[in-house]
Amino acid sequence: DGGITQSPKYLFRKEGQNVTLSCEQNLNHDAMYWYRQDPGQGLRLIYYSQIVNDFQKGDIAEGYSVSREKKESFPLTVTSAQKNPTAFYLCASSTYEGVRTDTQYFGPGTRLTVL
Amino acid sequence: GQNIDQPTEMTATEGAIVQINCTYQTSGFNGLFWYQQHAGEAPTFLSYNVLDGLEEKGRFSSFLSRSKGYSYLLLKELQMKDSASYLCAVRDLAGNTPLVFGKGTRLSVIA
Repeated sequence: DGGITQSPKYLFRKEGQNVTLSCEQNLNHDAMYWYRQDPGQGLRLIYYSQIVNDFQKGDIAEGYSVSREKKESFPLTVTSAQKNPTAFYLCASSTYEGVRTDTQYFGPGTRLTVL
Repeated sequence: GQNIDQPTEMTATEGAIVQINCTYQTSGFNGLFWYQQHAGEAPTFLSYNVLDGLEEKGRFSSFLSRSKGYSYLLLKELQMKDSASYLCAVRDLAGNTPLVFGKGTRLSVIA
């Protein structure tokens, strides 16, 4: 049963703590993405990776870090430098055709609340 | 730059037809995607257009006019379960990100 998993679904952290969100896919997709969604806002790209051991900053990368050591996994760390980390975080994956992203498929999301 | 506009909210009646518009301004347009997102859930892929014209998939159709920078999603025979946000996303090869999303249109279907 192929898909994208994110864990946990809900996460609570104290201000000043780093937290790592998990994203795993078994779709054999080369590319993976992290988005942030706030009420009334569209999806905003944090980081993306087209290939293992390589990743690029999106529009709002400040205060976040990622790694891509395996094709299946793309964890996101929300650091204490992120000014307003409370949000809904979505991971996605896709194939890539040359320079073009193909249809992106999303995981169920993690709702992070920083207290 | 990139700009994608959609209406913020729409309301329609069960059994009716609704059209959700999306206009975009990009310098390297290379395809447009529509996603459905129920509250608190992940977006799910609905349709993709890269050439002008209408793509039909059951009750859902999507139209694209590249010269006008315009797309719409048409939902027929509306059901209560169609109450959701509908996201328009543009692939812009001249941009810095693979896919740019609009803010979404929240559709409420009423009896």
